Amino acid sequence: QTVVTQEPSLTVSPGGTVTLTCASSTGAVTSGYYPNWFQQKPGQAPRALIHSTSDKHSWTPARFSGSLLGGKAALTLSGVQLEDEAEYYCLLYFGGAQVFGTGTRVTVV
Amino acid sequence: QLQLQESGPGLVEPSETLSLTCTVSGGSISIPTYLWAWIRQPPGKGLEWIGNIYYTGTTFYNPSLRSRVTISVDTSKNQFSLKVTSVTAADTAVYYCARRSQPTPYYMDVWGKGTAVTVSS
Repeated sequence: QTVVTQEPSLTVSPGGTVTLTCASSTGAVTSGYYPNWFQQKPGQAPRALIHSTSDKHSWTPARFSGSLLGGKAALTLSGVQLEDEAEYYCLLYFGGAQVFGTGTRVTVV
Repeated sequence: QLQLQESGPGLVEPSETLSLTCTVSGGSISIPTYLWAWIRQPPGKGLEWIGNIYYTGTTFYNPSLRSRVTISVDTSKNQFSLKVTSVTAADTAVYYCARRSQPTPYYMDVWGKGTAVTVSS
């Protein structure tokens, strides 16, 4: 069973920058896994932010960016705002299957 | 604007079958460039992909749930459904339906608001 691992929690100051990563138990994450990133706030459904490693949806704020970093998928939040405090999940595609990451709780203080 | 809405019982007894429906509005479920997905989230835990279905009825399941899960589609009603058999407390979760693009690039861009299901006697 494939496991996709993220940092459990990260803290960032308003206006700061934070990078979240997404690692696969199968080895290096590549663009062929079409990494997706989602933001979820309490009591809400996940909201798609990034797909295909670095492509943004039309509603994704410019301060969110995706990349590959050291064999992992990465999500960078630049100029963090208080409203960015949330849980973030990555999603990797393995052929017909999909696996969500364990999630990262981002706290803005 | 495409919208998805989950519906079904909020309480299911242990060993019974959980049945949910996702109704697609504002667009057709029979579009070749999309699959339709079920995802769940136990209380206080992360997201778990359950499975996908194409409008033709082709399905893809999470291997860990495959033996208990069936996803079906009714194109005449613009709906797709989820059944989970022999449920236990571990199946207690918020269940979401979502749209997934296909072929590449892969993304899940439209989600329902979710419906909470509790397994308890």
